[in-house]
Amino acid sequence: NAGVMQNPRHLVRRRGQEARLRCSPMKGHSHVYWYRQLPEEGLKFMVYLQKENIIDESGMPKERFSAEFPKEGPSILRIQQVVRGDSAAYFCASQGMEETQYFGPGTRLLVL
Amino acid sequence: QKEVEQDPGPLSVPEGAIVSLNCTYSNSAFQYFMWYRQYSRKGPELLMYTYSSGNKEDGRFTAQVDKSSKYISLFIRDSQPSDSATYLCAMSPRGGYQKVTFGTGTKLQVIP
Repeated sequence: NAGVMQNPRHLVRRRGQEARLRCSPMKGHSHVYWYRQLPEEGLKFMVYLQKENIIDESGMPKERFSAEFPKEGPSILRIQQVVRGDSAAYFCASQGMEETQYFGPGTRLLVL
Repeated sequence: QKEVEQDPGPLSVPEGAIVSLNCTYSNSAFQYFMWYRQYSRKGPELLMYTYSSGNKEDGRFTAQVDKSSKYISLFIRDSQPSDSATYLCAMSPRGGYQKVTFGTGTKLQVIP
């Protein structure tokens, strides 16, 4: 039973480029959360999605960031026109019927 | 003031020692409490989950919650070098599907 999968594991972008981060939840899970972890800081909630719906985006920056979780395929976190401050580890977590969020290995984004 | 405060450490202990990790929180709405373990360059892994005041034990790990003082603890007995990791406390107002608020994490090193 595969866990939460994220790809790519490492992503390097130059300022102004777009970053696309993908998350495949555990089998049978239809709830996905995205968190960002900056150095020396804890994980910060960004967005919570169900299939085809954004449920809570209260932690998402208002500009340049968007997320989707289509009916088929992985959840995507998209960052347009990246800046150096976007460099961080981005984790997704999935949840099924249990009250537990299972985390993926993360994508480490470096903006040059 | 942060909603969740956690001493970042690092905390260094000899093998076999009892480790005490702590968090305080300010939001009285938090009712569900979790401890995650995160190895370097990996995603967080759920260790303990509780929603009531008192103690919950699982093997060498004991989670303690004091809602009146807004204080939670994780105790690790007979600590092992494999316990060396960053420990994140986390909490939410209720169970089910919603965002989780994390502490910044305490880095633990268990020396053989």
